[in-house]
Amino acid sequence: QVHLQQSGPGLMKPSQTLSLTCAISGDSVSSSSASWNWIRQSPSRGLEWLGRTYYRSKWYNDYAVSVKSRITINPDTSKNQFSLQLNSVTPEDTAVYYCARRGGYQHFDYWGQGTLVTVSS
Amino acid sequence: DIVMTQSPDSLAVSLGERATINCKSSQSVLHSSNNKNYLAWYQQKPGQPPKVLIYWASTRESGVPDRIGGSGSGTDFTLTISSLQAEDVAVYYCHQYYSVPFTFGQGTKLEIK
Repeated sequence: QVHLQQSGPGLMKPSQTLSLTCAISGDSVSSSSASWNWIRQSPSRGLEWLGRTYYRSKWYNDYAVSVKSRITINPDTSKNQFSLQLNSVTPEDTAVYYCARRGGYQHFDYWGQGTLVTVSS
Repeated sequence: DIVMTQSPDSLAVSLGERATINCKSSQSVLHSSNNKNYLAWYQQKPGQPPKVLIYWASTRESGVPDRIGGSGSGTDFTLTISSLQAEDVAVYYCHQYYSVPFTFGQGTKLEIK
């Protein structure tokens, strides 16, 4: 059974960098079939996929256009986890952030518990 | 980007009655290589992450009651709850995993009448 455990701060000021981590148990961040994703949810934007990292002989990343200039998703093989960094946050980035596994070429089958990130001065 | 549009935005159904939620994608999510629709349905309750109910448009996730079913192909899909139970009160989302960026419908809030 796969379990994803999120960690990271919930309150930030504008212009700071959001950093969240998703620790994986029951699978490997280096899996050759899964991908590791970040998704956020807010009343104004609904469920919004932000990006992913995955390993297929080498590491790949894909990012949503809406955040592409500000986002980095990195794997950490030594700790079997992956992280989200979002630079220069504004109140528009206030949302619940989820990490999620996409198994193979399928849907998001496992989700983290969610982290409410509030951006406020 | 593939835009997912659900209808209605909210729905009130009596206990034991049928609930139907529709989802339309702006382009087909049917993959010709395997004849599968890359469409999933999720249920979300307050304070919880979305939980998958249906994938490949009509395959029920293990543990999901058989009163919940999915149908459709190409661009038009339906989630049906044949006999509404109290525990079905939630927000439901459709989701396409055909292509990046992966996208979701805006959600349908299901309540008891």
